[in-house]
Amino acid sequence: DTEVTQTPKHLVMGMTNKKSLKCEQHMGHRAMYWYKQKAKKPPELMFVYSYEKLSINESVPSRFSPECPNSSLLNLHLHALQPEDSALYLCASRQEDVSNQPQHFGDGTRLSIL
Amino acid sequence: DAKTTQPTSMDCAEGRAANLPCNHSTISGNEYVYWYRQIHSQGPQYIIHGLKNNETNEMASLIITEDRKSSTLILPHATLRDTAVYYCIVTRDDKIIFGKGTRLHILP
Repeated sequence: DTEVTQTPKHLVMGMTNKKSLKCEQHMGHRAMYWYKQKAKKPPELMFVYSYEKLSINESVPSRFSPECPNSSLLNLHLHALQPEDSALYLCASRQEDVSNQPQHFGDGTRLSIL
Repeated sequence: DAKTTQPTSMDCAEGRAANLPCNHSTISGNEYVYWYRQIHSQGPQYIIHGLKNNETNEMASLIITEDRKSSTLILPHATLRDTAVYYCIVTRDDKIIFGKGTRLHILP
């Protein structure tokens, strides 16, 4: 079991739908991350939040909109996605105020765009 | 681009030690070496990390060469549950850049 919880585990949506992915952690971590992982490829960083503020956006298309409403929650809002956006979306968190701490990952949301 | 080079795949017999190499010849003085693994259908799992000294925890040992240009992750008694993709990463800050990793097969 992981300490980072992602919901839903699976999501199928059409290209015109709006949906959200959710991530929750209760370890007191103040850094949170979104990654995208295509089949048989390594995870790719999308966004980093530090103390609820967006600190890194890896040039992600605007159809992906992250939100960090509080220190325990991280959302990824999806709108007008394309079939190539089908992937595993991973959330991670890290203890920000102590140097060189590892990231803790959830098991991801597997997203399919029809 | 990832700063590490790993073999694409490796096999290891169950019960034997699995030794996974990683080259990081361009590592900077303040960058740490991290190892994660990803078991099928799960998120990456942290294993161990180190700066220049060898490290050991309940999962594995990490051996870093004196010049820090390479390291080896050792799983002392591999089991079938250790079958996974193992990622070696060097970083000093928030950004983790995953390379292609090593696909480790544990053979019964």
